[in-house]
Amino acid sequence: AQSVTQLDSQVPVFEEAPVELRCNYSSSVSVYLFWYVQYPNQGLQLLLKYLSGSTLVESINGFEAEFNKSQTSFHLRKPSVHISDTAEYFCAVSHSNSGYALNFGKGTSLLVTP
Amino acid sequence: DAGITQSPRHKVTETGTPVTLRCHQTENHRYMYWYRQDPGHGLRLIHYSYGVKDTDKGEVSDGYSVSRSKTEDFLLTLESATSSQTSVYFCAISGQNLNTEAFFGQGTRLTVV
Repeated sequence: AQSVTQLDSQVPVFEEAPVELRCNYSSSVSVYLFWYVQYPNQGLQLLLKYLSGSTLVESINGFEAEFNKSQTSFHLRKPSVHISDTAEYFCAVSHSNSGYALNFGKGTSLLVTP
Repeated sequence: DAGITQSPRHKVTETGTPVTLRCHQTENHRYMYWYRQDPGHGLRLIHYSYGVKDTDKGEVSDGYSVSRSKTEDFLLTLESATSSQTSVYFCAISGQNLNTEAFFGQGTRLTVV
């Protein structure tokens, strides 16, 4: 079985400051890694994913995440956040053994203030 | 947006009554999933389907059943609703190719009183 730990339940940050949302996972098999974002009263949207290859993956809106196998981590970073980045962020893992179902962390609430 | 629709979007029901939530897709994706979202727990997998009439249990399947009689519809049934099943329910779909991301519906807010 796989599990995901998001180390921070809430992260307050000022606009234009950098941010890192931490995610660690545990698994006895190789997994695929994802970050999803949920804006208020909406469903989840894929932010970025790591399946294989380069360990650094980027999204179109400036977020990036790095897969670190030795530390079993997949932290999400952005060098300069905007007010519009305020949302709930979920780290997730999946594996073919469970129909590629996503196993989510509990989420990190990012609050960006002026 | 991916063609995935959940119905109803909101429902209030009484304890002990049966409830069925519907997920409908127009993408012809193989995999379909039901999750529930609760504060402090993130999203937890209830059941999933990997084809017509092929389903399996997730992490929190007790008290829930599912059916998939055709590719486009995945039904979640609460046989006898309890207050602990008050939650927001999300359906998701995913193609057979792992490079196909999982798309989520808008959610169904269920309140059991």
